[in-house]
Amino acid sequence: AQSVTQLDSQVPVFEEAPVELRCNYSSSVSVYLFWYVQYPNQGLQLLLKYLSGSTLVKGINGFEAEFNKSQTSFHLRKPSVHISDTAEYFCAVSDLAAGNMLTFGGGTRLMVKP
Amino acid sequence: DTGVSQDPRHKITKRGQNVTFRCDPISEHNRLYWYRQTLGQGPEFLTYFQNEAQLEKSRLLSDRFSAERPKGSFSTLEIQRTEQGDSAMYLCASRIYNEQFFGPGTRLTVL
Repeated sequence: AQSVTQLDSQVPVFEEAPVELRCNYSSSVSVYLFWYVQYPNQGLQLLLKYLSGSTLVKGINGFEAEFNKSQTSFHLRKPSVHISDTAEYFCAVSDLAAGNMLTFGGGTRLMVKP
Repeated sequence: DTGVSQDPRHKITKRGQNVTFRCDPISEHNRLYWYRQTLGQGPEFLTYFQNEAQLEKSRLLSDRFSAERPKGSFSTLEIQRTEQGDSAMYLCASRIYNEQFFGPGTRLTVL
């Protein structure tokens, strides 16, 4: 079984500032890692994913994340945020077998202020 | 639009009534997943299908919940005898190449 912990429930930040959203996971097997974004009253949109290879993963909208196996972390970063980045962000893991169902963290609300 | 679609987008029902939600996956995606998301929480896995076969259903929340995927195309999620605790967003996703694509969800409110 896997679990995901998103360490910050809310992250307020000013526009054009950098941001990091933290994610730690627990699993006894190898996993795939994902970050999704959810805007109000909408479904989830994939930002980026780590399946294998380079530990630095680049995604859409200028986001990137780094997989750290020793620290079991997959933190999401953006060097300069925009008002339009205000949303809920979810970190998720799936194992490499057993159906690949996703286990999600509790989410981090990113609030970008002008 | 070739994305995952869900119907209805919103459903208000009275406690004790049965409800059914539909999900149409992206064509040719053979795996289909259902999740539930309560307010302020991340989505929680319920069940999934590979084509028409339901391969995992132990995470369905109670025997009041059931899902089908006839002919391996669209899927339905039914909740019988709804309770106020069933109020949530129900999300469907279809999968190809290790990536799940989510629909917009059906928001259920049980009065």
